[in-house]
Amino acid sequence: QPLLTQPTSLSASPGASARFTCTLRSGISVATYRIYWYQQKPGSLPRFLLRYKSDSDRQQGSGVPSRFSGSKDASTNAGLLFIFGLQSEDEADYYCAIWYNNTSVVFGGGTKLTVL
Amino acid sequence: QVHLVESGGGVVQRGASLRLSCAASGFRFSSYGMHWVRQAPGKGPEWLAFIRYDGSDKYYADSVKGRFTISRDNSKNTLYLQINSLRPEDTAVYYCAKGNSEALFDYWGQGTLVTVSS
Repeated sequence: QPLLTQPTSLSASPGASARFTCTLRSGISVATYRIYWYQQKPGSLPRFLLRYKSDSDRQQGSGVPSRFSGSKDASTNAGLLFIFGLQSEDEADYYCAIWYNNTSVVFGGGTKLTVL
Repeated sequence: QVHLVESGGGVVQRGASLRLSCAASGFRFSSYGMHWVRQAPGKGPEWLAFIRYDGSDKYYADSVKGRFTISRDNSKNTLYLQINSLRPEDTAVYYCAKGNSEALFDYWGQGTLVTVSS
């Protein structure tokens, strides 16, 4: 079982909201980790969107609009990324990552967002 | 302005070795940890290795431990990745990235392509 699991795809309409999940493997508590979120468009480098551990430990990426927001769902042991007011330019792949055990970076497999 | 330029990639045969370099400029290289990340065609990023600012600690992904070696020369503002016993599944674009405690990575190079033929 991968350490971080993301749905492979997500579709939503312009103006709607999108909710991405990054589920940590059983036995690894989401409460322990900062969850980092990156956006990658075809042919481009990953772009840091935001980091979320708690409401008091969060960081928005430089130039990232506030309609991108992070959270957690302890009941499902998942990090969450929300995009509000979807725009066509948000169509991209979205990856979560953690700094695991202070010794390695682990990426999720990514979710492809389609804005229909 | 932060600038990271990778080099050393190419087309090699299975079992070959390569040393990738990453020339850094625009920041105090000796003060920052650095990462190597790769991305295979059509796949997501895969973290490979991290080295602390002074080279005192090095960490590797389990998938490359023992074959890959990260190093740095702070006098030359250069990061390295030695890759041995290359396999077709190592085919990817290899990126160096500047470490950042807030974002994990805040700057990336444009990458160098490694293609391993069987």
